Amino acid sequence: AQTVTQSQPEMSVQEAETVTLSCTYDTSESDYYLFWYKQPPSRQMILVIRQEAYKQQNATENRFSVNFQKAAKSFSLKISDSQLGDAAMYFCAYLGNFGNEKLTFGTGTRLTIIP
Amino acid sequence: DTAVSQTPKYLVTQMGNDKSIKCEQNLGHDTMYWYKQDSKKFLKIMFSYNNKELIINETVPNRFSPKSPDKAHLNLHINSLELGDSAVYFCASSPIPFPGQRNYGYTFGSGTRLTVV
Repeated sequence: AQTVTQSQPEMSVQEAETVTLSCTYDTSESDYYLFWYKQPPSRQMILVIRQEAYKQQNATENRFSVNFQKAAKSFSLKISDSQLGDAAMYFCAYLGNFGNEKLTFGTGTRLTIIP
Repeated sequence: DTAVSQTPKYLVTQMGNDKSIKCEQNLGHDTMYWYKQDSKKFLKIMFSYNNKELIINETVPNRFSPKSPDKAHLNLHINSLELGDSAVYFCASSPIPFPGQRNYGYTFGSGTRLTVV
């Protein structure tokens, strides 16, 4: 079974600085998707960024980028120029590409932005 | 115009009661899901339906019964509610993935906070 590990329960960063959230996963599949979701206090699950495993290029979305290391099964999220609105729980998630797949989440990292 | 909508957003009820949570998606997705988020914020899948057919049932007590009248709706009925059922329940939907698909992902509803007293 696939597992997703987020080893940082809490992180904090000064406003306008850069922070990196870690995620590792375990799988025997070669083709899959990885995601970072943000959950602010409103509890809405918001997709931040996705990465297809077959792509070597790291995904970027404005201030958000990932460092995808397929061999190491690592998928970290970098947030540049942190803003107060970035404060939230961040969940890393894995999804296999075929069959009856389910989105498997890590335990989350609570990110605090220090003004 | 909400893509995945759940009702109600909040539900407070007594132990032993039966309650339902409704979910509807207007994205034309084939697959719908129920996830449970516990007090420690851990998200775990409960059920998955593909075009009204049950695909995934993850060791959930049979007091929980999902029902999908059509592929745009997936409701969750809970019998004999227990204190441990208190959680946030998320509905989600997704298209069927295919090799090399771009922009694949789940769309989540805003969650239903269930409190059993």
